[in-house]
Amino acid sequence: DLQLTQSPSFLSASVGDRVTITCRANQGISNYLAWYQQKPGRAPKLLIYAASTLQSGVPSRFSGSGSGTEFTFTISSLQPEDFATYYCQQLTTFGQGTRLEIK
Amino acid sequence: QVQLVQSGAEVKKPGASVKVSCKASGYTVTDYYIHWVRQAPGQGLEWMGVINPSAGSTIYAKKLQGRVTMTRDTSTTTVYMELSSLRSEDTALYYCARGGSVGGHRFFDYWGQGTLVTVSS
Repeated sequence: DLQLTQSPSFLSASVGDRVTITCRANQGISNYLAWYQQKPGRAPKLLIYAASTLQSGVPSRFSGSGSGTEFTFTISSLQPEDFATYYCQQLTTFGQGTRLEIK
Repeated sequence: QVQLVQSGAEVKKPGASVKVSCKASGYTVTDYYIHWVRQAPGQGLEWMGVINPSAGSTIYAKKLQGRVTMTRDTSTTTVYMELSSLRSEDTALYYCARGGSVGGHRFFDYWGQGTLVTVSS
């Protein structure tokens, strides 16, 4: 079965910082990976699909890359509204999430 | 605009069943699959299954097979998720999500607001 492992599980950063989250798959999945943002009490929001394609309306400070088994998600300059939990996903499998908090 | 509106919170006793609805609007419902995802308190996202609203065909997560049933009513553009033999571990926020697709890449592009199901004696 496919497993997606995110690291780190918890990240503390400041407004303006550049942050990167890694998602590793236990088998090759080409670039079939999506990233979501979830804020407390809200449904997840699609940010990126096909590993690097930004969903319509998502700010360009968000980006993704990778293929095969290793993927990265980057926020180039953290904004206050970016503090949330981020998940990678390959259709029926989600990573365990990375909680991004204000330092 | 695309909207998925779910039914309200439920409190159930262990062993009972719950049926959550997800009414879709703003697009042709039969053109997109609907997935169900749940999230236990303080936990991550767990995929439960998917229904093709056009054909009514379903695929369920192995863990839930035998307890989960997804159905649809195309006349009311509503999809349903029923979970039976409830136990405390089923306490969670249940989401429906539309399955989008671009060039073979599949993702969940619109989500319902979530339905809290609490299982407690």
